[in-house]
Amino acid sequence: EAQVTQNPRYLITVTGKKLTVTCSQNMNHEYMSWYRQDPGLGLRQIYYSMNVEVTDKGDVPEGYKVSRKEKRNFPLILESPSPNQTSLYFCASKFRGVDTQYFGPGTRLTVL
Amino acid sequence: GENVEQHPSTLSVQEGDSAVIKCTYSDSASNYFPWYKQELGKGPQLIIDIRSNVGEKKDQRIAVTLNKTAKHFSLHITETQPEDSAVYFCAASRARGNEKLTFGTGTRLTIIP
Repeated sequence: EAQVTQNPRYLITVTGKKLTVTCSQNMNHEYMSWYRQDPGLGLRQIYYSMNVEVTDKGDVPEGYKVSRKEKRNFPLILESPSPNQTSLYFCASKFRGVDTQYFGPGTRLTVL
Repeated sequence: GENVEQHPSTLSVQEGDSAVIKCTYSDSASNYFPWYKQELGKGPQLIIDIRSNVGEKKDQRIAVTLNKTAKHFSLHITETQPEDSAVYFCAASRARGNEKLTFGTGTRLTIIP
């Protein structure tokens, strides 16, 4: 089944404890992206990747890192999480030059 | 950059009635306008989209209209059913450049049985 998977789905952590949220897609998509969803703000792009080893900042990149060493994986790294990073995170992917974007099921992160 | 505004933020309609959600965008270079439906505990799912060379598109009970001159587009759901209850997001993007989707703030649609 074609899909975008994220792990973990739920995570509660404490301020300053490094964490990684994984994202994987099995559709051979070149383009992958991370969004955060907050009430009243919609979805905002954090980082995106046009292809392997090519990443760039989105609208709200502060406090996050990403890497794209393989085509199928695009992990989101929070080196020192803070409470303002408590949010619902979505990974998405698509073919370059094709409009339709597919979303993962989301990761709900709480930073205490 | 692009800015997308979406209204209303909440909408309740009687089952069987129609629902309309409206969005405006700021970047005249945007040429792709999808609508996503997000059910509780799930990621957004594309339900319909429209490109700037088209004024209207229909898919069964769902339709989207685009007015390029006014820079606004709307989602129309007819004969609403309980399973239409969800949060709906509009978005806009350019075909070239960073291919980024800019989302509206979402509309929580509740269908009253």
